[in-house]
Amino acid sequence: GENVEQHPSTLSVQEGDSAVIKCTYSDSASNYFPWYKQELGKGPQLIIDIRSNVGEKKDQRIAVTLNKTAKHFSLHITETQPEDSAVYFCAASIGGFQKLVFGTGTRLLVSP
Amino acid sequence: NAGVTQTPKFRVLKTGQSMTLLCAQDMNHEYMYWYRQDPGMGLRLIHYSVGEGTTAKGEVPDGYNVSRLKKQNFLLGLESAAPSQTSVYFCASSRLRLAVDYEQYFGPGTRLTVT
Repeated sequence: GENVEQHPSTLSVQEGDSAVIKCTYSDSASNYFPWYKQELGKGPQLIIDIRSNVGEKKDQRIAVTLNKTAKHFSLHITETQPEDSAVYFCAASIGGFQKLVFGTGTRLLVSP
Repeated sequence: NAGVTQTPKFRVLKTGQSMTLLCAQDMNHEYMYWYRQDPGMGLRLIHYSVGEGTTAKGEVPDGYNVSRLKKQNFLLGLESAAPSQTSVYFCASSRLRLAVDYEQYFGPGTRLTVT
């Protein structure tokens, strides 16, 4: 079946550094790629998304890039802050429908 | 707007017992989903619904049933709980694709332990 691989599983950075999380998807029909942030004890919350007709999207300190040929997409966080510490999930739409398959998550720890 | 709410927040069941998890959304969303989250496995889709009165199987449907009798509610049932169903369950909802808005809004989760 369709799957999304996500790396790394944990990532520790110093405040102010950049963080990069990478995902690979298998379904060539996937056309929507969101990133969710999950804080402890809460449900995931969308932070940024990208559609297949766009190669890059930026929102302040967060950016996402998409390489459809290689079936790769990545999340970039610049100037990290302690409040960025959370679990981040990538996801890809399945078969053009509004179902998502999620990666296994990356625990980001930003140390002051 | 309360968004997506889930009841209960925590529950402990004995093997073989049954229970129903309730999800409610006040955003008039057509689509609703149930996921389970296990350590190291991300979120896996259990069942979903594209509208009132309709349901469909997701990735891991075995041992669960669902119902969507009202547009704003999506119920997840466990008829005979097993320890393998110990997990955190999340409900989510989203708008119709017509708006090309795929964002799923998640509830706070229900932590279920089956002993």
